[in-house]
Amino acid sequence: QSALTQPASVSGSPGQSITMSCTGTNRDVGDYNLVSWYQQHPGKAPKLMIHEVNKRPSGVSDRFSGSKSGNTASLTISGLQAEDEADYYCCSYIDSSTLIFGGGTKLTVL
Amino acid sequence: QVQVVQSGPDVKKPGASVKVSCKASGLTFSTYGIHWVRQAPGQRLEWMGWINAANGNTKYSKRFQGRVTITRDPSASTIYMELSSLTAEDTAVYYCARSSDTCFACWFDPWGQGTRVTVSS
Repeated sequence: QSALTQPASVSGSPGQSITMSCTGTNRDVGDYNLVSWYQQHPGKAPKLMIHEVNKRPSGVSDRFSGSKSGNTASLTISGLQAEDEADYYCCSYIDSSTLIFGGGTKLTVL
Repeated sequence: QVQVVQSGPDVKKPGASVKVSCKASGLTFSTYGIHWVRQAPGQRLEWMGWINAANGNTKYSKRFQGRVTITRDPSASTIYMELSSLTAEDTAVYYCARSSDTCFACWFDPWGQGTRVTVSS
C-alpha cells in the first residue's frame, strides 16, 4: 500500500500556529483512531508527539495537539518555536499486521 | 526511565544478511513489544515489523515478508532483527522502538538511537 499523504513542507513564524495534514483512506486513517505523530530532528531518532489521534504523552508540550476528520488526521503546533523546526511523520494502523507511515512534512520556522 | 539501545553500525556485501540487536532497559522484558522501522538516506520512515517480547508473536510488513525475521532472547532481554538477501537499496538507518504489548499500533516510544547498515560491494 502507498504511504499516507503529507505535505512536503509547511512554515510559520515564531509564535504562530500551524497545522499539518496526514491523508489516508477509509481503510486506515478513516477507519481507526490509531494515528500517531513523530518529530524527527536531523540526524536524530524520531520522538513520539501524539498517539491515538489526540493523546499527548507526558513530557510533550501542550502546544502540540492532534485531531482527525474523515480520512485526514492533523497535527497542530501553537506558539511556534525555533526548536519545533524538524520533520514530522504520521503513522496509521491498516490491519491486524500492518502499519504505514506518511511521507513526512518538513516544518520550517521562519 | 526506559531506554532502548541498539547495536553498532554494520557494513555488508550484497546478498548477505544483517542482524541488528535492540535492548530495552528500565522495564520488565515481558511487558512490551518492539517495532522495527528503517529510513533510507533522505527518505521517509518505513515500518518493517513487530514482536511481542512476552510470547514472541510477530507481525511483518508485506514488503519485507520472507526477508525479515524478528526474534527475542528473554535471557538477554534483547530483540533481534535479521534482514536477508541484502541489496544496495537496503542501505539505511534501522530503528527499534518500544510499543505496548497489547496494542501494537498505538505508539512507538522511546526509539533506539538507530543502527546504520551499509550494503556495498
